[in-house]
Amino acid sequence: TAGITQAPTSQILAAGRSMTLRCTQDMRHNAMYWYRQDLGLGLRLIHYSNTAGTTGKGEVPDGYSVSRANTDDFPLTLASAVPSQTSVYFCASSDSGGRGYTFGSGTRLTVV
Amino acid sequence: DAKTTQPPSMDCAEGRAANLPCNHSTISGNEYVYWYRQIHSQGPQYIIHGLKNNETNEMASLIITEDRKSSTLILPHATLRDTAVYYCIVRSYSSGSARQLTFGSGTQLTVLP
Repeated sequence: TAGITQAPTSQILAAGRSMTLRCTQDMRHNAMYWYRQDLGLGLRLIHYSNTAGTTGKGEVPDGYSVSRANTDDFPLTLASAVPSQTSVYFCASSDSGGRGYTFGSGTRLTVV
Repeated sequence: DAKTTQPPSMDCAEGRAANLPCNHSTISGNEYVYWYRQIHSQGPQYIIHGLKNNETNEMASLIITEDRKSSTLILPHATLRDTAVYYCIVRSYSSGSARQLTFGSGTQLTVLP
């Protein structure tokens, strides 16, 4: 089934450690996004990429970095995790016009 | 992108139509209305979108007022599995240029047995 694959599904991470959340799509969508969702709140954009080789900052980019080496993959890296980064992270993709977005199942991250 | 206003919660009886309102009084001419929903702990799911004409697909209908300042998402025969948070999002569509979605608080729809 075409869509977005995120890994891992959940992770407990010690504060100060680094981690990369993986996101892969097989729809050949140009644009990809990372959102975080805190308990009881809506989704907030962390970073986005309009096309391979380009990235941009969203609403809450601090503490996160991304890369877009190819069309399919859009990893999110936490260089030095802090407890406030405890959240559920969703990766999404869309076609060039952003007409329809597809979301992954999410990664639940707990920083202790 | 224009700001949207939705009621925080609604209930609906199973088998009845669920009508979810959204106000977007500052919408501009090139902005579309999108609806997504998020079932507990899952990623958001696209439902429908429209510009000014009413739209219908296998999931729902979207009714946009003539002045485009408000819209209503209609789930014609709600089931328990339709219990979710429903997000109304307004954004522009520019061919060749992707734009991120900005999520508000949405409406928690609870379908009651």
